[in-house]
Amino acid sequence: EAEVAQSPRYKITEKSQAVAFWCDPISGHATLYWYRQILGQGPELLVQFQDESVVDDSQLPKDRFSAERLKGVDSTLKIQPAELGDSAMYLCASSLPHRYEQYFGPGTRLTVT
Amino acid sequence: GENVEQHPSTLSVQEGDSAVIKCTYSDSASNYFPWYKQELGKGPQLIIDIRSNVGEKKDQRIAVTLNKTAKHFSLHITETQPEDSAVYFCAASGIQGAQKLVFGQGTRLTINP
Repeated sequence: EAEVAQSPRYKITEKSQAVAFWCDPISGHATLYWYRQILGQGPELLVQFQDESVVDDSQLPKDRFSAERLKGVDSTLKIQPAELGDSAMYLCASSLPHRYEQYFGPGTRLTVT
Repeated sequence: GENVEQHPSTLSVQEGDSAVIKCTYSDSASNYFPWYKQELGKGPQLIIDIRSNVGEKKDQRIAVTLNKTAKHFSLHITETQPEDSAVYFCAASGIQGAQKLVFGQGTRLTINP
C-alpha cells in the first residue's frame, strides 16, 4: 500500500539553528499539506500545495518558516531560526486533486533545546 | 473561520462495550467530515469519513452520524477491542475546493481488558 514518506523521523536541534524536513507524497497525489501538531492537540495546517504552487500559507509563520515543492512532487519545510516553541510533530499529508481524503505520513518529531 | 470542538477529551470503556465521540463545527458551509486514529508515535490514519449529503455511514464496527441542522457529528465504535486504544480526531472541511481540514482537539480512548 502506498504511503507518505517523511524524514527524519526525529530531530533535536538547538534554538537559533536551522532545521529542514522532507516529505514524499503518495505517487499521483498532486496536493500536499504540511501540518504542525503540538502535543495533546489536533494538527494545524501550515501550508498547502497544488502541484508546485502554494494554495494556502495563511498560517505559516513566514518570518522563520519556508516551504517549497519545486518539481511538484516532494517537498521541504524549513525553519530558520528554530525557537523553543517550535517543538512539535510536523506532519505531511497528500491527496488526489480535488479529493477531500488526506493521507498522512509518520511525521517528524522536532525538539528544540 | 471554521472551529471544531470535540468531546470527551478522554474516554475509558470496557472491552466489548461501545464508545461514542462527539464533535461540533461552526461553519455551516462545511461539507466533509473525516475521523482519524492516531497511535503513539505515528501519523493520523483516516478511518472513516462522511459527506454532507449523507446522514450515516458504517464500516464494520465503526459508524459516523451527521446532523447538519445541529452542526454535529459523532463516531461510534461497537464491540471495542484493545487495539482500538488510540487518540481519535474529528475534522471538518469548510472551504469548497481548498480541502482545508480543521481538526478537533482529540479524544484519548482506552479500552480496558
